[in-house]
Amino acid sequence: NAGVTQTPKFQVLKTGQSMTLQCAQDMNHEYMSWYRQDPGMGLRLIHYSVGAGITDQGEVPNGYNVSRSTTEDFPLRLLSAAPSQTSVYFCASKGGDRHNSPLHFGNGTRLTVT
Amino acid sequence: DAKTTQPNSMESNEEEPVHLPCNHSTISGTDYIHWYRQLPSQGPEYVIHGLTSNVNNRMASLAIAEDRKSSTLILHRATLRDAAVYYCILRDVSWGGADGLTFGKGTHLIIQP
Repeated sequence: NAGVTQTPKFQVLKTGQSMTLQCAQDMNHEYMSWYRQDPGMGLRLIHYSVGAGITDQGEVPNGYNVSRSTTEDFPLRLLSAAPSQTSVYFCASKGGDRHNSPLHFGNGTRLTVT
Repeated sequence: DAKTTQPNSMESNEEEPVHLPCNHSTISGTDYIHWYRQLPSQGPEYVIHGLTSNVNNRMASLAIAEDRKSSTLILHRATLRDAAVYYCILRDVSWGGADGLTFGKGTHLIIQP
């Protein structure tokens, strides 16, 4: 059981380039979300999805797009990367009693934008 | 969500118990207390959660004050592998939509061999 898998582990982009951070979970969880973590700060919610075909914005959604065509996958797209998007990105999912069951996190994608 | 206050860092010795405090004086009746930890270069990992009663699982124990304004995560016998940042988070289960767990800066736990 792989849990939450994020790819790639590391990525370097130039300003203005686009890319997609991949997230997949094999636990049949309805809820998935994306966080970013910056040095000295906690995790901040970017986007989330409560099920296939449904997405919504979190605390810091600007510059990022998401889609949820399947239960398993929740990719995060950067359309035009900016240095301010240099961060570590974590994908998380949860199932069961959505309000009170634990979040399962991937091991992150470390993104550098130059 | 109500806020929590944790010490920035704590140090303990290997094989000794560790008590990690968390203050949450503005907690509401529908807030659950969650603890996560983050090991170096990994994503956060769920540790334990509770509402009013003390809770135990294979990783840790959670002691909740009677007035619920504070709680303590207890690691009964710390190992080097327990060195991590520990986050105390309040989760309002009456709130729908985003599971926007608010991760603050947490407590950096250092374990000395």
